[in-house]
Amino acid sequence: DAGITQSPRHKVTETGTPVTLRCHQTENHRYMYWYRQDPGHGLRLIHYSYGVKDTDKGEVSDGYSVSRSKTEDFLLTLESATSSQTSVYFCATRGPLSGNTIYFGEGSWLTVV
Amino acid sequence: QKEVEQDPGPLSVPEGAIVSLNCTYSNSAFQYFMWYRQYSRKGPELLMYTYSSGNKEDGRFTAQVDKSSKYISLFIRDSQPSDSATYLCAMTNGGSQGNLIFGKGTKLSVKP
Repeated sequence: DAGITQSPRHKVTETGTPVTLRCHQTENHRYMYWYRQDPGHGLRLIHYSYGVKDTDKGEVSDGYSVSRSKTEDFLLTLESATSSQTSVYFCATRGPLSGNTIYFGEGSWLTVV
Repeated sequence: QKEVEQDPGPLSVPEGAIVSLNCTYSNSAFQYFMWYRQYSRKGPELLMYTYSSGNKEDGRFTAQVDKSSKYISLFIRDSQPSDSATYLCAMTNGGSQGNLIFGKGTKLSVKP
């Protein structure tokens, strides 16, 4: 258990509305990640962070922004949600003792209608 | 060519069978290889972690890496219905920002 909590776990929202997903970790891990998982595509990296206020884009970053103001929190924002962003979103972390492995949260299911 | 290829299955086996799951990759810089198990509607959990070539065994699970062939395998002995899940391979070249590249996952069903 890597002490990762995602919220909300389930959300239905309307097209065009902003949505923020929160990831909270208790392990003081430096690296944090946001992935989305879709049938036929597997896990794809959206954004990641390598420290407070240090973030970078992943493979599918268009339409998403992130912020990390504290070590323990990593926020993913959909500025204007679209139906193509209906997905399950996973947060993950990596710390100094985990080598190159990452640990995942339980996921946030987002439906954009 | 995708960096990591994994047959999505589904794979259905009887209880007690030996299961072989595989991934191929194209990036020769990958040095760290992982297998994750993901139950339905849950987050992926780390199952096996290996560095470079060779075998690693943990209970009923054995991970094999053949870097010369760019091929990794996960073997499950004496498979159980509780092994029914999606198995994801992942790999990275390491380093401070070496991000994991995942296969799409193989869905396994072990029938009692």
